[in-house]
Amino acid sequence: AQRVTQPEKLLSVFKGAPVELKCNYSYSGSPELFWYVQYSRQRLQLLLRHISRESIKGFTADLNKGETSFHLKKPFAQEEDSAMYYCALSGVGGAQKLVFGQGTRLTINP
Amino acid sequence: DTGVSQDPRHKITKRGQNVTFRCDPISEHNRLYWYRQTLGQGPEFLTYFQNEAQLEKSRLLSDRFSAERPKGSFSTLEIQRTEQGDSAMYLCASSWGQGGETQYFGPGTRLLVL
Repeated sequence: AQRVTQPEKLLSVFKGAPVELKCNYSYSGSPELFWYVQYSRQRLQLLLRHISRESIKGFTADLNKGETSFHLKKPFAQEEDSAMYYCALSGVGGAQKLVFGQGTRLTINP
Repeated sequence: DTGVSQDPRHKITKRGQNVTFRCDPISEHNRLYWYRQTLGQGPEFLTYFQNEAQLEKSRLLSDRFSAERPKGSFSTLEIQRTEQGDSAMYLCASSWGQGGETQYFGPGTRLLVL
């Protein structure tokens, strides 16, 4: 079964501190992994995907197939990073539907 | 704004009534997805269209739900005989390509069934 687990519903860190949002997945095969973000009063938008290996807004995520994890990291948090973050996966080929985790609300304290 | 649009943004209805939501994808996108999001949860897949063909439906999509994309452009999602458990945010997303492409989400329609 396809499943995405984000163990932390809430995460609060101080500005300038490192941030790590955890994501573990279950999938029989080689999925594509994504991080989506939803800022206050905005729509859900793609932050990054593992296949592009980009760093967006200072965030990076490494796919660890051995641990089936795709944790999101940023070395120095900024107040504008406060948002809801969703980890998601899709299969390769076929419908490409996204399977989302329950999300982590990140709050950056000044 | 050339992004995905959804209408209405909010809908309040009484139990047993029918409701219909509309999604206008980004114009050149061939794929369109519907998701449902309840409080405290991530979005859950409902159904997917490639052009006008509905290619996959989730088990979440009971027989009270029907979706169409008649000309391969906009899509409608209808819920018949609404129940309180249908209260949720209904999200539409679109994408272009053959697979693995980025999905762009609309603002959602928030449904409240009284």
